[in-house]
Amino acid sequence: DVKVTQSSRYLVKRTGEKVFLECVQDMDHENMFWYRQDPGLGLRLIYFSYDVKMKEKGDIPEGYSVSREKKERFSLILESASTNQTSMYLCASRGEGQGLGYGYTFGSGTRLTVV
Amino acid sequence: AQSVTQLGSHVSVSEGALVLLRCNYSSSVPPYLFWYVQYPNQGLQLLLKYTTGATLVKGINGFEAEFKKSETSFHLTKPSAHMSDAAEYFCAVSSYNFNKFYFGSGTKLNVKP
Repeated sequence: DVKVTQSSRYLVKRTGEKVFLECVQDMDHENMFWYRQDPGLGLRLIYFSYDVKMKEKGDIPEGYSVSREKKERFSLILESASTNQTSMYLCASRGEGQGLGYGYTFGSGTRLTVV
Repeated sequence: AQSVTQLGSHVSVSEGALVLLRCNYSSSVPPYLFWYVQYPNQGLQLLLKYTTGATLVKGINGFEAEFKKSETSFHLTKPSAHMSDAAEYFCAVSSYNFNKFYFGSGTKLNVKP
């Protein structure tokens, strides 16, 4: 089975800190995604990447950046954490050969609290 | 543009009763449609999907969904709810030329004994 691993399940950070959320997948997938999940809003796409060193903005990229130096790893960076970034963050991946009809494989999520 | 609307943020049913979770979508091209389930403190797990072919799709845990193009709907059903079905369910849409998914806002299913 494809595994998407997010390094932390729970994080508590202070306002203004630089925060790194890490995601690693083990199936050589080209496409990786970062979503945030908030009650009543569902999942909103922050950034995605379709290849190493490639990235594209999603629907809510403000306040975030990403890094993809290796195919298996996709990092989400909060340059200066703010309380409105308190949320559940979900990473997902999909293989190019699988086609868009295959769907994503999700990690277990990182619940970030900014105080 | 693509979007997904899930009617009802919370649905409560009795154990053994029919489960019906509603999803409507808008898409300018033929859609791919998905239902995901999320158990507490976990990521999302694919329940079922429609891409092409038969419009009635069967998934895991006894769930099924029917793609109705005329109604732009993809409602999720299960004949008899089980306590273990309590979770949050998300409908999502994508398409063959669109490397993104759009998710609905989710429906929390509560199953009463």
